[in-house]
Amino acid sequence: GDSVTQMEGPVTLSEEAFLTINCTYTATGYPSLFWYVQYPGEGLQLLLKATKADDKGSNKGFEATYRKETTSFHLEKGSVQVSDSAVYFCALSPNAGNMLTFGGGTRLMVKP
Amino acid sequence: GAVVSQHPSWVICKSGTSVKIECRSLDFQATTMFWYRQFPKQSLMLMATSNEGSKATYEQGVEKDKFLINHASLTLSTLTVTSAHPEDSSFYICSAAQDEQFFGPGTRLTVL
Repeated sequence: GDSVTQMEGPVTLSEEAFLTINCTYTATGYPSLFWYVQYPGEGLQLLLKATKADDKGSNKGFEATYRKETTSFHLEKGSVQVSDSAVYFCALSPNAGNMLTFGGGTRLMVKP
Repeated sequence: GAVVSQHPSWVICKSGTSVKIECRSLDFQATTMFWYRQFPKQSLMLMATSNEGSKATYEQGVEKDKFLINHASLTLSTLTVTSAHPEDSSFYICSAAQDEQFFGPGTRLTVL
């Protein structure tokens, strides 16, 4: 079945550092790929998504590129802020349908 | 954008009582709603998928008689935790879907 693997956290960075959170997936066909962010005590918010190979999703300075050849969708940000501290979930949805398969989540802590 | 609300945002109840959590899509009609459970520092675990007007489909290991799901309209689904016990304490998140899922803010349940 489909699966998503993302790097374990926590990831601790200083403000303005470069962020990469790795995500790889296993799926049949051509899934859509997502990054969600969860702030403490809150639900999930969609951060960005990509629906086909080589698409780049971007939002709030975060980017991720759908790499079919490496089955990856790594999340990057050039300069993190303290307010980016949260848990980030990589997820995929099959080509047909709206079910989501989540990775285990990566906690990011940004220190001033 | 698509907005999903949950009520209550947090609830404390005594062991043996039942608790109802509401999930509403505020500005769109959702043919499908999903209920997730999240333990501290863990990913989301899908509990059940609910389609309007039909019985919910429960994931393996989820007791359908304990977690009652009703999806009476295209904008409302409810999850009732019956005869709650301390081990049911968790963060419950719903999502409402059209082509993709939109998540509610979550409900924290504490059973004493």
